[in-house]
Amino acid sequence: AQSVTQLGSHVSVSEGALVLLRCNYSSSVPPYLFWYVQYPNQGLQLLLKYTTGATLVKGINGFEAEFKKSETSFHLTKPSAHMSDAAEYFCAVSGLIQGAQKLVFGQGTRLTINP
Amino acid sequence: ETGVTQTPRHLVMGMTNKKSLKCEQHLGHNAMYWYKQSAKKPLELMFVYSLEERVENNSVPSRFSPECPNSSHLFLHLHTLQPEDSALYLCASSRMMYRDGLTDTQYFGPGTRLTVL
Repeated sequence: AQSVTQLGSHVSVSEGALVLLRCNYSSSVPPYLFWYVQYPNQGLQLLLKYTTGATLVKGINGFEAEFKKSETSFHLTKPSAHMSDAAEYFCAVSGLIQGAQKLVFGQGTRLTINP
Repeated sequence: ETGVTQTPRHLVMGMTNKKSLKCEQHLGHNAMYWYKQSAKKPLELMFVYSLEERVENNSVPSRFSPECPNSSHLFLHLHTLQPEDSALYLCASSRMMYRDGLTDTQYFGPGTRLTVL
């Protein structure tokens, strides 16, 4: 079985400060990992994903995440927070069901940016 | 129109009503998904359709009935719901994976906010 744990349901940072959102996963097979962002009253949008290869993955809006197998982690970072980054962020691990992708999500982290 | 659309965006219904949620994807995908997002729980996968065949029913109560008439459309039929079914229902789609194990991105619609009175 696969699972995801996001440490911290709420994170608050100042504008211009480093953003660090933590994600740990459990998977019996090599994982595919994702970060999604959800703005108010919207669906989820993919920020970045890790499948194979380079362990440092760059995504949209200046975000990146590093896959660390030894720590079973996939933390999301951004060097300098912007007010527009305020949203809810979800980490997910995926498996396959008869060709379709099954995503297991963490509980989400709400990011607040202080002026 | 592009991407994944969902209608209606908001729905209020009584416990004895019957209603349907609609999802349409314009991405040429052939796998579609229903998720439930409520305040107290993580995103829960409800149903998965791959090539119009249901391949996953994640222990969802029978008062939720999915339908996938073709690869572009997905419905969720609702009847005799409970107040605890109030939530945001998200639809997503992706390209079907193949034996090489490559995985593709799921694209999400904006959701239907359902309130059951």
